Amino acid sequence: EADIYQTPRYLVIGTGKKITLECSQTMGHDKMYWYQQDPGMELHLIHYSYGVNSTEKGDLSSESTVSRIRTEHFPLTLESARPSHTSQYLCASSGGFLGNTIYFGEGSWLTVV
Amino acid sequence: QKEVEQNSGPLSVPEGAIASLNCTYSDRGSQSFFWYRQYSGKSPELIMFIYSNGDKEDGRFTAQLNKASQYVSLLIRDSQPSDSATYLCAVRGSSASKIIFGSGTRLSIRP
Repeated sequence: EADIYQTPRYLVIGTGKKITLECSQTMGHDKMYWYQQDPGMELHLIHYSYGVNSTEKGDLSSESTVSRIRTEHFPLTLESARPSHTSQYLCASSGGFLGNTIYFGEGSWLTVV
Repeated sequence: QKEVEQNSGPLSVPEGAIASLNCTYSDRGSQSFFWYRQYSGKSPELIMFIYSNGDKEDGRFTAQLNKASQYVSLLIRDSQPSDSATYLCAVRGSSASKIIFGSGTRLSIRP
């Protein structure tokens, strides 16, 4: 069972606001990921990190940014939210004994009005 | 061509029957293969993984891998309504640690 936590789970925010979605894992995994998924649609990788101070953009272009200052923490920030950012954001991590198996957090549902 | 391809479905199977989900991948050097289940509005959860050619069984689930043909499948025996979900195939390619997800197959178990 994976221990990966996301906050907030649900957020409704006005256009132009800055938001940070928090993600923490307690498994000591070196790799962490952010995926974006609209309801009923496929997963899109938007950011990933292979360790502290390492971040890369994913396959889907995103206006969000990430940081990885601590192994366990991988926050995602939107400087100025827009309605097009409305989506579910899923944080995930992998590492440890099973190496490459990805475990997901419960997700953060963002609605920008 | 997508790196990991799945039939989007929906796949409708009667309760108690075997559901068969298929996935093909393009990177011949891929090493690790995963099946995830995702209920509507929830995050994906790992069902099982497979690394070697052949079958791997876990309860009602069997993963089958054929590297020569570049496909991996998931069989669900004695299908239950609670199995109704989207099933995601994921593949770790040969080049790096990045795992590629398919777009998922929606499975519906009808009573």
